[in-house]
Amino acid sequence: QVQLVESGGGVVQPGRSLRLSCAASGFTFSSYGIHWVRQAPGKGLEWVAVIPYDGKSERYADSVKGRFTVSRDNSKNTVYLQMNSPRVEDTAVYYCAKEGQWLVNWFDYWGQGTLVTVSS
Amino acid sequence: EIVMTQSPATLSVSPGERATLSCRASQSVGSNVAWYQQKPGQAPRLLIFGSSARVTGTPARFSGSGSGTEFTLTISSLQSEDFALYYCQQYNAWPLAFGGGTKVEIK
Repeated sequence: QVQLVESGGGVVQPGRSLRLSCAASGFTFSSYGIHWVRQAPGKGLEWVAVIPYDGKSERYADSVKGRFTVSRDNSKNTVYLQMNSPRVEDTAVYYCAKEGQWLVNWFDYWGQGTLVTVSS
Repeated sequence: EIVMTQSPATLSVSPGERATLSCRASQSVGSNVAWYQQKPGQAPRLLIFGSSARVTGTPARFSGSGSGTEFTLTISSLQSEDFALYYCQQYNAWPLAFGGGTKVEIK
């Protein structure tokens, strides 16, 4: 069965760095794009970034562009979200999610999420 | 960028009644809308994509409709497990965008 497992969350100071991981199993990982979606405490869902199946042409929300970088290692079935210079407003549960169809960006499977708290 | 607006923010419904949730896009997104259900402490769960296509496992009491800028999720007869948050999402253009959510609560 399809599984996505996030890790790497925790408390980070503003301006430092943190890397999240999303380990996938149960599907042909190299054929699907993987997205990051976040949810601030008590708030709604916000799309953050996507890395396509081939690792090229990733895209970002304006709120994280230039600070966050998404990458993938198809040999390890893992996607990463490098969070540089995080801000207090980046505090959220971060979910990774699998695209539902090839190059079609709805999400059929989600991880359980990892909480990132940006605080001094 | 496309803004998705959901209404109402909260919907109070009695079990067995019909619930109608609305989602409006700031510009046309064709039929490229998905709906998700989220319960407290859980990740969102996909219910519908392509405005009206139910994914495997979505009960038939859930139906989606609409195109262009106006979309609706209807739950024909609310069951206890349906009381939750619901989000629409457009995937027609970058950046992808979610609506602010509708909370369906017990009346």
